[in-house]
Amino acid sequence: KAGVTQTPRYLIKTRGQQVTLSCSPISGHRSVSWYQQTPGQGLQFLFEYFSETQRNKGNFPGRFSGRQFSNSRSEMNVSTLELGDSALYLCASSLKLGGTEAFFGQGTRLTVV
Amino acid sequence: AQSVAQPEDQVNVAEGNPLTVKCTYSVSGNPYLFWYVQYPNRGLQFLLKYITGDNLVKGSYGFEAEFNKSQTSFHLKKPSALVSDSALYFCAVKPGGNEKLTFGTGTRLTIIP
Repeated sequence: KAGVTQTPRYLIKTRGQQVTLSCSPISGHRSVSWYQQTPGQGLQFLFEYFSETQRNKGNFPGRFSGRQFSNSRSEMNVSTLELGDSALYLCASSLKLGGTEAFFGQGTRLTVV
Repeated sequence: AQSVAQPEDQVNVAEGNPLTVKCTYSVSGNPYLFWYVQYPNRGLQFLLKYITGDNLVKGSYGFEAEFNKSQTSFHLKKPSALVSDSALYFCAVKPGGNEKLTFGTGTRLTIIP
């Protein structure tokens, strides 16, 4: 069974640009969560999607958005990039909303210059 | 709101010695507790979880954790450390239901040969 796949693995963007990250969950998993990992802040929850609807949201500005498609694949978008958005973005999938076990992808390393 | 504390940023243990990585939590109601491990440039890997039942939980790679409700702790342990156990360890909690997973700040475990 394939694991959680995140693309791309690495990304370099310029301040002010926007970026879209993709996450394909484990087959059959319907819940996808996104996290931002930085050395200073640790792992911060961004949002969770289930059945194409955002179910939980963390404390991030509106520049951070996401969506989920009917096949459970999810994308997150960051607009008007800032230097502080440089981070490892991790996606996790669970069988269902509130699932007790989350499986993580390898992450997308975003660098904003 | 739930929270997790990992009081040690860094833990060093000699190979072959027992190891403990500490975690305390704050959550209303009965918690779901998790340990994840992260190797360099990788996503998080699930180690073990406590949902209900026996307070001693066994997980992957010989790790175990003990749930202590009175002390609100969920310390990760291993009887004999391996150099390959060197990694970043995260404790996480969710209050159950459809709530999000909240992570601690992580503890870097270094096993000294």
